[in-house]
Amino acid sequence: DTAVSQTPKYLVTQMGNDKSIKCEQNLGHDTMYWYKQDSKKFLKIMFSYNNKELIINETVPNRFSPKSPDKAHLNLHINSLELGDSAVYFCASSGGRYTQYFGPGTRLTVL
Amino acid sequence: SQQGEEDPQALSIQEGENATMNCSYKTSINNLQWYRQNSGRGLVHLILIRSNEREKHSGRLRVTLDTSKKSSSLLITASRAADTASYFCATDTFGNEKLTFGTGTRLTIIP
Repeated sequence: DTAVSQTPKYLVTQMGNDKSIKCEQNLGHDTMYWYKQDSKKFLKIMFSYNNKELIINETVPNRFSPKSPDKAHLNLHINSLELGDSAVYFCASSGGRYTQYFGPGTRLTVL
Repeated sequence: SQQGEEDPQALSIQEGENATMNCSYKTSINNLQWYRQNSGRGLVHLILIRSNEREKHSGRLRVTLDTSKKSSSLLITASRAADTASYFCATDTFGNEKLTFGTGTRLTIIP
């Protein structure tokens, strides 16, 4: 029943490792997003895909690479993790009416 | 740069009182939305107000928008303990679904 789901919920890893976060939405939306929320709760958009096509790519290190195998899925792969990557990452989707539906978040801790 | 800034950063009130939080933004907008984030959860859409609207209601929520002052307020009437959360405003611009979030107001309702 979950509209937007993310896995894993928690991710603890060492610096330098590569990790992926998966997102799936069952709302039939065409657009999906990745956001990063820092320790001060500031939420910043990273990427947006519309129907598997990248439409927003904010100033994000190229260690971050989104992949959309189909319009219901948007995964985020992070190479060579750094301490500053520690944050909560949210996936969201929208159906073209500006309102966005968020997943529960993935708390990434880089040690 | 940060589009929206909420004020106050934190607010504590007694249950049953009204809570008012404000959002200021910098550029012309198409829509302004308010989202709620409970601790450890994703954001949940509360209400959207268009740039040509001045006031909108939804249940115990009342939103105002003053485009001349580039500001919005969210009023929660008859607050409940379950309203304890962080509240974010988010704006979008014409022809662009990208949302820019404010810094958030942390609301605590004291039972």
